[in-house]
Amino acid sequence: DVKVTQSSRYLVKRTGEKVFLECVQDMDHENMFWYRQDPGLGLRLIYFSYDVKMKEKGDIPEGYSVSREKKERFSLILESASTNQTSMYLCASSLIRGGIRGTNEKLFFGSGTQLSVL
Amino acid sequence: AQKVTQAQTEISVVEKEDVTLDCVYETRDTTYYLFWYKQPPSGELVFLIRRNSFDEQNEISGRYSWNFQKSTSSFNFTITASQVVDSAVYFCALSEFGAAGNKLTFGGGTRVLVKP
Repeated sequence: DVKVTQSSRYLVKRTGEKVFLECVQDMDHENMFWYRQDPGLGLRLIYFSYDVKMKEKGDIPEGYSVSREKKERFSLILESASTNQTSMYLCASSLIRGGIRGTNEKLFFGSGTQLSVL
Repeated sequence: AQKVTQAQTEISVVEKEDVTLDCVYETRDTTYYLFWYKQPPSGELVFLIRRNSFDEQNEISGRYSWNFQKSTSSFNFTITASQVVDSAVYFCALSEFGAAGNKLTFGGGTRVLVKP
């Protein structure tokens, strides 16, 4: 089974802190994603990456950055955490079939990190 | 821009009742993919189904069935004879073909509560 592992289940940080959320997948997937989940808003895409060192902005990238130095690891960085970034953060990965503009395979998700910024 | 709307925020049923979750989407593309995911209380989203825009045939998998109607841009999901284990948040999602990285746009989710 594909496993997507997020480093922390719960995290509490203070306003202004730099926060790193780590995600590792073990199935050699090209695609990796970071979403945040808020009640009533569903999942909103922050950033995604379709290859090592490649990244694309999602729908809500402001206040976030990402790093993909190795294929299996995708990090989400909050440069200066703010209270409006309190949320559930979900990492996902997927295969691409047919190149980066190919067909969409299903996403596999991690269990999520509930981040509270005080 | 693509958009997914799940108008029902929460549905409560008694065990063995059928429940239908609505999903309406917007896209300019003629080729796209639709998905349903389940998020149980444990938090991890679980893939249920993927359907491409050229396949309008309805699908049944056990107690689950999906009704894809391109004419109304809808991809509805029905749970027949619901069980307590079906209690979860269900998400509909849309992915446009050829979008680099295959990003998925999710709806707001529908929480289903099945009471014994």
